[in-house]
Amino acid sequence: ILNVEQSPQSLHVQEGDSTNFTCSFPSSNFYALHWYRWETAKSPEALFVMTLNGDEKKKGRISATLNTKEGYSYLYIKGSQPEDSATYLCAPEGGRRALTFGSGTRLQVQP
Amino acid sequence: DGGITQSPKYLFRKEGQNVTLSCEQNLNHDAMYWYRQDPGQGLRLIYYSQIVNDFQKGDIAEGYSVSREKKESFPLTVTSAQKNPTAFYLCASSKRGKAGGSNEQFFGPGTRLTVL
Repeated sequence: ILNVEQSPQSLHVQEGDSTNFTCSFPSSNFYALHWYRWETAKSPEALFVMTLNGDEKKKGRISATLNTKEGYSYLYIKGSQPEDSATYLCAPEGGRRALTFGSGTRLQVQP
Repeated sequence: DGGITQSPKYLFRKEGQNVTLSCEQNLNHDAMYWYRQDPGQGLRLIYYSQIVNDFQKGDIAEGYSVSREKKESFPLTVTSAQKNPTAFYLCASSKRGKAGGSNEQFFGPGTRLTVL
């Protein structure tokens, strides 16, 4: 079982603050890195799927970077809004072509 | 509307009974997955299937069984051998992974199973 670590476990920020989370994973046997957002009472939704070292992806105010050589990915949220409150999950995909999820970073944005 | 359905939303069973959780998708996805979530933990992979009539054990398969007789359906049976079955169960599907690429997973609404 892959060891996937996400930090911090939880985060409280004020509206307008920018924030970032970390996902670390084993760099061997790497295929892709997925980020998901999971809002309360909803299903997890995909944010990004990244495969190449140095990949950077952006969707609105959210962006992510990937370093496969050292085994980490960062997720950034610029100017957090209350609707960004959710749990953010990362999941590396290895050779078996299935995901191993981290325990997530729970973000709460205060208006 | 294309999507994934799981039923029921809440399920109660007595200890020692087998129970089957339903997962259906109309997204024409080849791959389907079952996860379990416990409080304070991430999603853990139970079983997955990349194609009809084939499936593989995930990280916590003991006490569970699956079948994949149709592309659209991937039911999960929680057997009496599962020591701690009370949990939230999520089903997901994706296009089959291709060489050089990876595909996002789409999740159902989940089933909360409580064993009394």
